[in-house]
Amino acid sequence: DTAVSQTPKYLVTQMGNDKSIKCEQNLGHDTMYWYKQDSKKFLKIMFSYNNKELIINETVPNRFSPKSPDKAHLNLHINSLELGDSAVYFCASTTGNSYNEQFFGPGTRLTVL
Amino acid sequence: SQQGEEDPQALSIQEGENATMNCSYKTSINNLQWYRQNSGRGLVHLILIRSNEREKHSGRLRVTLDTSKKSSSLLITASRAADTASYFCATALKTSYDKVIFGPGTSLSVIP
Repeated sequence: DTAVSQTPKYLVTQMGNDKSIKCEQNLGHDTMYWYKQDSKKFLKIMFSYNNKELIINETVPNRFSPKSPDKAHLNLHINSLELGDSAVYFCASTTGNSYNEQFFGPGTRLTVL
Repeated sequence: SQQGEEDPQALSIQEGENATMNCSYKTSINNLQWYRQNSGRGLVHLILIRSNEREKHSGRLRVTLDTSKKSSSLLITASRAADTASYFCATALKTSYDKVIFGPGTSLSVIP
């Protein structure tokens, strides 16, 4: 059974489009994250939610808007996609705070043409 | 510059050999975590070592932490081809319980 799942796994789209990535966890965790991994594999946190409340917004452009309808879901909507948005986006979850181990989803590879 | 940096960036060894990866960081930590990422997959947590611990073992993994030098090492003994992956250290800062900061990773290739 998948612990943290993301859809879609691959996303290819044109510049200027709007797209969404969905994340769900069935671990009962109360904290969820979005990370961006660039082509050099550098992993950077974008957002953190705890019990549906935004905790971290790491100076991400406001074209990126996370939404957490409930503790088990954290979606990422991206407006007006740019070439530089091409990356792998990972969702992760943990219980409590970041002092604990995080469980990662399989990633969504976004390619902006 | 980054909070956590791994060294070396890439490592290639023969199956059966030991692999050692190092991580250095800059500010005080609550704990340090190591993750593995297989190609095209998400990260998998390997081991967590707290700031008051010096060494921890898990199977073929041995992690050390030297807070005076702000550094950690991950040793994989008797490596296998299946250990081929990228390995990341992540530091949980004392000043922020909301996030961990990942280093750029070490790419390990184990040649059969």
